[in-house]
Amino acid sequence: AQKITQTQPGMFVQEKEAVTLDCTYDTSDQSYGLFWYKQPSSGEMIFLIYQGSYDEQNATEGRYSLNFQKARKSANLVISASQLGDSAMYFCAMVASGGSYIPTFGRGTSLIVHP
Amino acid sequence: DGGITQSPKYLFRKEGQNVTLSCEQNLNHDAMYWYRQDPGQGLRLIYYSQIVNDFQKGDIAEGYSVSREKKESFPLTVTSAQKNPTAFYLCASTTTGGGLETQYFGPGTRLLVL
Repeated sequence: AQKITQTQPGMFVQEKEAVTLDCTYDTSDQSYGLFWYKQPSSGEMIFLIYQGSYDEQNATEGRYSLNFQKARKSANLVISASQLGDSAMYFCAMVASGGSYIPTFGRGTSLIVHP
Repeated sequence: DGGITQSPKYLFRKEGQNVTLSCEQNLNHDAMYWYRQDPGQGLRLIYYSQIVNDFQKGDIAEGYSVSREKKESFPLTVTSAQKNPTAFYLCASTTTGGGLETQYFGPGTRLLVL
């Protein structure tokens, strides 16, 4: 069975600062994918970044990067130069063959960016 | 523009009433999913379909029903058997549903019980 744990219910960051949102996962599969989504107050889930278990380099997408530490089973999201529009819920998710490729989601972290 | 549309944005249900939430995609994706999200919670899977005319129950299927008669469409019916239907419902799709694929989501429907 797959499990995603996000231990930070809420995070605060000052505008233009960097912030790290934690995500740990558990799976017995060797091949899996890790995702981060952003959910603003409007409700839509917006895909941010993907990391495959066999990818040797950490994924990056603009101001988003994924700090992938396979041995520790962690996939933290780093947002650099935070903007007010980054205020939202952030969800970590995983897909693996052992879970029939059905995504498992964490409970989310609420990020508030202060001016 | 390719994407996933959900309607209506807000839906009100009376006691004992069945209501249907629409989900349509023009991404040519084979697999489609329905999730329920309660305030402050993550996503819980209701049903999913990896191919037309076939679908499987997720973790919380009781009180819900679906159909998949067309590749583009995956409507969700909330039946009167669902005693606590007030929630935010999200529809998603992936290319095949058989690999490490990114899910793409619609804008969601908020269901409220009168």
